[in-house]
Amino acid sequence: AQSVTQLDSQVPVFEEAPVELRCNYSSSVSVYLFWYVQYPNQGLQLLLKYLSGSTLVESINGFEAEFNKSQTSFHLRKPSVHISDTAEYFCAVHFSGNTGKLIFGQGTTLQVKP
Amino acid sequence: EAQVTQNPRYLITVTGKKLTVTCSQNMNHEYMSWYRQDPGLGLRQIYYSMNVEVTDKGDVPEGYKVSRKEKRNFPLILESPSPNQTSLYFCASSFLGTSGPNNEQFFGPGTRLTVL
Repeated sequence: AQSVTQLDSQVPVFEEAPVELRCNYSSSVSVYLFWYVQYPNQGLQLLLKYLSGSTLVESINGFEAEFNKSQTSFHLRKPSVHISDTAEYFCAVHFSGNTGKLIFGQGTTLQVKP
Repeated sequence: EAQVTQNPRYLITVTGKKLTVTCSQNMNHEYMSWYRQDPGLGLRQIYYSMNVEVTDKGDVPEGYKVSRKEKRNFPLILESPSPNQTSLYFCASSFLGTSGPNNEQFFGPGTRLTVL
């Protein structure tokens, strides 16, 4: 079965430090890839997405993610985090041929400490 | 204001009592979807709809029903709720790309359901 795995359930990090949140998916078929962020007591918001083209995609608030087809990964990175980045982050994948299905990972809680 | 609304936001009910959670969007989106969020499991898709009268199962459809009679509404129905359906539910919508849901999904605020 197709699946999405976020390897870290929690990532504690100090403010201004770099961070990487990992996401791997199960299949080598064509995919659309997304990162969503959920701030406390809110719904999810799109952070960035990869559909095609350049394998490095960026968001407006300094996050970036790189699509690695050979490793079936889409890791999220930020060179310097802020307290306001504290949230839960979800990786989501649409696998080609799955019509409307979207599969989410388990989520990673990013805890930024002062 | 462009938004996805869900009602109710909070609901406590008892086993077996039928309930409906409404979802409405005002962005003319073709695609709508329901998810449940449980600790450690992330979001799991219950049902989705690619357009009016077109619905399909997600990964966890058991115990749920949906309908899409109008483009803007996508209610989630629990005919006979059970305690294992206690969860946080999200509705989402988006424009539909040529190859599937490749556009940003807009999420509602969530409905916290407790089944006793």
